[in-house]
Amino acid sequence: GEDVEQSLFLSVREGDSSVINCTYTDSSSTYLYWYKQEPGAGLQLLTYIFSNMDMKQDQRLTVLLNKKDKHLSLRIADTQTGDSAIYFCAPAGGRALTFGSGTRLQVQP
Amino acid sequence: SAVISQKPSRDICQRGTSLTIQCQVDSQVTMMFWYRQQPGQSLTLIATANQGSEATYESGFVIDKFPISRPNLTFSTLTVSNMSPEDSSIYLCSVEGGFGLSYEQYFGPGTRLTVT
Repeated sequence: GEDVEQSLFLSVREGDSSVINCTYTDSSSTYLYWYKQEPGAGLQLLTYIFSNMDMKQDQRLTVLLNKKDKHLSLRIADTQTGDSAIYFCAPAGGRALTFGSGTRLQVQP
Repeated sequence: SAVISQKPSRDICQRGTSLTIQCQVDSQVTMMFWYRQQPGQSLTLIATANQGSEATYESGFVIDKFPISRPNLTFSTLTVSNMSPEDSSIYLCSVEGGFGLSYEQYFGPGTRLTVT
């Protein structure tokens, strides 16, 4: 099955950019998603990228995909304290998602 | 995106009992899924809830422990049977948006289950 790995923790200062990385093993992943989970809350779909794209920008969010290396990243520009949360990458080969372990982003004021 | 509600939002249950979690969507959707998130962990897919047929379970999950119903295109239930403390988790349902060419999955708010 698919293995998805993320670093567990990232700390940045408010106003800086955050980069959250993800590696996966299933080269047939068609859609690759990023979700945000705030404490005690459900999962919020942030953005996604199709496997035939290299980059997707959506306001402060930029997703980069290196399909050859099976590496996905999420860049958050001008990080705010409200961005503090756990971020999950979730590649989808079929219709079901495989979630990474999640990266806890801490934004220091 | 679809609006998804789950009931109950949380519960504390005794060992050996069963709990049924409901998932309601405000529009008809083809694909519905049930996930488990154990404390401090990531999400694991339990099963795909199929309308009109048996659910499709992932490795490590069985129908006797997690029976699922999907009577129509807007509703599904997950039962956690004969519970033990190891079943303490957040249970989330998700639906596939299926709009346009993408297959985004949207999640309900989750049901936080504690088994004592």
